[in-house]
Amino acid sequence: DIQMTQSPSSLSAFVGDRVTITCRASQSISNYLNWYQQKPGKAPKLLIYAASSLQSGVPSRFSGSGSGTDFTLTISSLQPEDFATYYCQQSYSTPITFGQGTRLEIK
Amino acid sequence: EVQLLESGGGLVQPGGSLRLSCAASGFTFSSYAMSWVRQAPGKGLEWVSTISGSGGSTYYADSVKGRFTISRDNSKNTLYVQMNSLRAEDTAVYYCAKDPGTFAFYYYMDVWGKGTTVTVSS
Repeated sequence: DIQMTQSPSSLSAFVGDRVTITCRASQSISNYLNWYQQKPGKAPKLLIYAASSLQSGVPSRFSGSGSGTDFTLTISSLQPEDFATYYCQQSYSTPITFGQGTRLEIK
Repeated sequence: EVQLLESGGGLVQPGGSLRLSCAASGFTFSSYAMSWVRQAPGKGLEWVSTISGSGGSTYYADSVKGRFTISRDNSKNTLYVQMNSLRAEDTAVYYCAKDPGTFAFYYYMDVWGKGTTVTVSS
């Protein structure tokens, strides 16, 4: 199974900050990497697919990059509605696996 | 509007069974693979199972293989998961989710339902 490791596990930031979350795969997954946002009590929402493609309707302040084993999700200027938990997920092979999540909190 | 609505969750005793359903609308259901993903209380996301659009191919996490069965009725636009031999560690919110690939597996999820809660406890 491919293990996905996110860092940091939690992060505090101010509105307006630029934030980067990292995801590392235990083996190369090319660009088969996706990012989700989840708010408390809500279903996850797809933000980024294929490492860097922005899902329709997602604000352009979200961006993704990387290939192989190392990936990043960047939020260019944090907005109040961005405080949530973020998960990466590999779609290279089954079993599909997720990172453990990064909780983004208001400072 | 694309929508997924899960139902069937509840309280069940260890060793018991439960069937979850997911009613889909707003898209050609039979053209897309569908998945179940769960989230234990306070924990992260865990993929459970995926089924092809035709229902002919299915995939399971090792943690549920042999106990859970995913299926679909394309005439009713409904996805199911039959859960048998339930354990305390199966307690979670169960989400159904749509794969974006038409007649293909992309193995990620572009639309999610709101989830249904399963609690396994005596």
